[in-house]
Amino acid sequence: EAGVVQSPRYKIIEKKQPVAFWCNPISGHNTLYWYLQNLGQGPELLIRYENEEAVDDSQLPKDRFSAERLKGVDSTLKIQPAELGDSAVYLCASSRGQGADTGELFFGEGSRLTVL
Amino acid sequence: GEDVEQSLFLSVREGDSSVINCTYTDSSSTYLYWYKQEPGAGLQLLTYIFSNMDMKQDQRLTVLLNKKDKHLSLRIADTQTGDSAIYFCAGSGGSYIPTFGRGTSLIVHP
Repeated sequence: EAGVVQSPRYKIIEKKQPVAFWCNPISGHNTLYWYLQNLGQGPELLIRYENEEAVDDSQLPKDRFSAERLKGVDSTLKIQPAELGDSAVYLCASSRGQGADTGELFFGEGSRLTVL
Repeated sequence: GEDVEQSLFLSVREGDSSVINCTYTDSSSTYLYWYKQEPGAGLQLLTYIFSNMDMKQDQRLTVLLNKKDKHLSLRIADTQTGDSAIYFCAGSGGSYIPTFGRGTSLIVHP
């Protein structure tokens, strides 16, 4: 079974530039999560999708961040314009669905963003 | 929402036992998890415990849950250098969405 795939693994941009991250979850996983992980911190939830619907985006800074999950499979997270403080690792995770078994999340390797 | 606290660093010698501690706030958490993160990688579920259990053992791993004190611990027996990583405690809250602590960096010395 293929794991959660994220790209790019690394991205370096100048401030005020746009950036986009892509995530392909495990096949059959209905729930998709985007987490932000700052250096030395645990992951913090940005947005959660149940199929194509964003059901929890309260922590997503909507002035510059946007996300979509068309067709309920792949997802894209965009930042426009990027700020210095956005430098972090953006983790994508998927799970079978809320309430399904133990709620285990399967994480991708993350996309490390550096904003100069 | 859930708030999870854990110590930031733990250093042990190879072959010793490691104990990583965590406290959480949300008593409605159905599951409590331990995730492991190796350098440059995403998190991977190490083990979990259901909230109606006190203890769970899985090979070298022992999880202890004290619901009264909202305290969770992970014991790794015979710690190896390959166990060096960051260990995250997480509670599911009432919604099965994990809230993670800051992580404990486990350093294993030969």
